[in-house]
Amino acid sequence: KNEVEQSPQNLTAQEGEFITINCSYSVGISALHWLQQHPGGGIVSLFMLSSGKKKHGRLIATINIQEKHSSLHITASHPRDSAVYICAGVGGGADGLTFGKGTHLIIQP
Amino acid sequence: DSGVTQTPKHLITATGQRVTLRCSPRSGDLSVYWYQQSLDQGLQFLIHYYNGEERAKGNILERFSAQQFPDLHSELNLSSLELGDSALYFCASSVGGIRTDTQYFGPGTRLTVL
Repeated sequence: KNEVEQSPQNLTAQEGEFITINCSYSVGISALHWLQQHPGGGIVSLFMLSSGKKKHGRLIATINIQEKHSSLHITASHPRDSAVYICAGVGGGADGLTFGKGTHLIIQP
Repeated sequence: DSGVTQTPKHLITATGQRVTLRCSPRSGDLSVYWYQQSLDQGLQFLIHYYNGEERAKGNILERFSAQQFPDLHSELNLSSLELGDSALYFCASSVGGIRTDTQYFGPGTRLTVL
């Protein structure tokens, strides 16, 4: 059974801080999606990666295949980054995504 | 705006009823995925269609069914509704599959079963 675990579950930080959200996944998952869910409920795909590192603006995602671990970093965090960040695995028998429980991030001004 | 549309935005109905949720994918996307997000279960994959054909099923109940039409829009049918079916239902589209392509999510349909 594919599993994805995220940590921390909740994170509150001050504006400008460097943020790290972690995701561990089980054997059989071959790629990860990082998603952002806004307070209004909408979901945006941030990254999809199966190896290495990707960067978009202040967001960086990395994945270590051997350790089955991925991280999402936010540099120079801003209150508008406040959202739920979800990692989701691809692989195994299920064709759809297997979701982590999400990290609820609050950036205070 | 992801380019994926879902209707209706909100739906309130009673137990035992049947509803249909509609999804129009981004232009050019052949894959449509349906997901359910509930407070206790989080996000779960329900079903995947590619170019009109069912490709995979996840945690979809037998009371639920879906189809993708020749114009590529998709409908999710929920019948004999129960209180526990209250949730946000998202569809997402991509050019191909999730192993290679970014998924674009619709705004969701919030279903409330009373």
